[in-house]
Amino acid sequence: SQTIHQWPATLVQPVGSPLSLECTVEGTSNPNLYWYRQAAGRGLQLLFYSVGIGQISSEVPQNLSASRPQDRQFILSSKKLLLSDSGFYLCAWSEKGLAGGQFFGPGTRLTVL
Amino acid sequence: AQSVSQHNHHVILSEAASLELGCNYSYGGTVNLFWYVQYPGQHLQLLLKYFSGDPLVKGIKGFEAEFIKSKFSFNLRKPSVQWSDTAEYFCAVTSSGGSYIPTFGRGTSLIVHP
Repeated sequence: SQTIHQWPATLVQPVGSPLSLECTVEGTSNPNLYWYRQAAGRGLQLLFYSVGIGQISSEVPQNLSASRPQDRQFILSSKKLLLSDSGFYLCAWSEKGLAGGQFFGPGTRLTVL
Repeated sequence: AQSVSQHNHHVILSEAASLELGCNYSYGGTVNLFWYVQYPGQHLQLLLKYFSGDPLVKGIKGFEAEFIKSKFSFNLRKPSVQWSDTAEYFCAVTSSGGSYIPTFGRGTSLIVHP
């Protein structure tokens, strides 16, 4: 069966520090991968998605970037965190065509101080 | 661009009450529709989906949703809620044949009192 991992679960970082959040998927190949930020009362904001290795699409211009160095690995990064980057970050995967919907990871709670 | 509206942001019910959560979307073409649920402390998970066929879709845990194309709606229903249904519910839409990028509604927080 498929599994999606995210780490760390929680992170507290100072303003101006770098960020690296990792997401890996097991039990599937060539998935679509997604990074979302979830804010209370605002639903899910899509940040990045990827349909293949090295293919990244950005939905919202901001202080973050994403990379997909391997088929089942998706990384969310920042060179210098801002206070406004605080939030709950979710990784998700889906098959092509979304026939089974999306499968979400447990999320990372990021606090920037 | 497509958008999704969930008009009920907070719903409070007693056990055994009936539930209907609204979801409306703005896209004139063929759509795929989803409801997701996030129980406290758990992952978001798929509740049910509609791609084609019977517009009345049945999902897990006794939930169902009806796609009404003329109303651009995909409302979620359950005839009798339980305390364990307390969760946040999200509606999502993709345009069929387009990108694999769902648009999510803002979510509805459901609290069921025992």
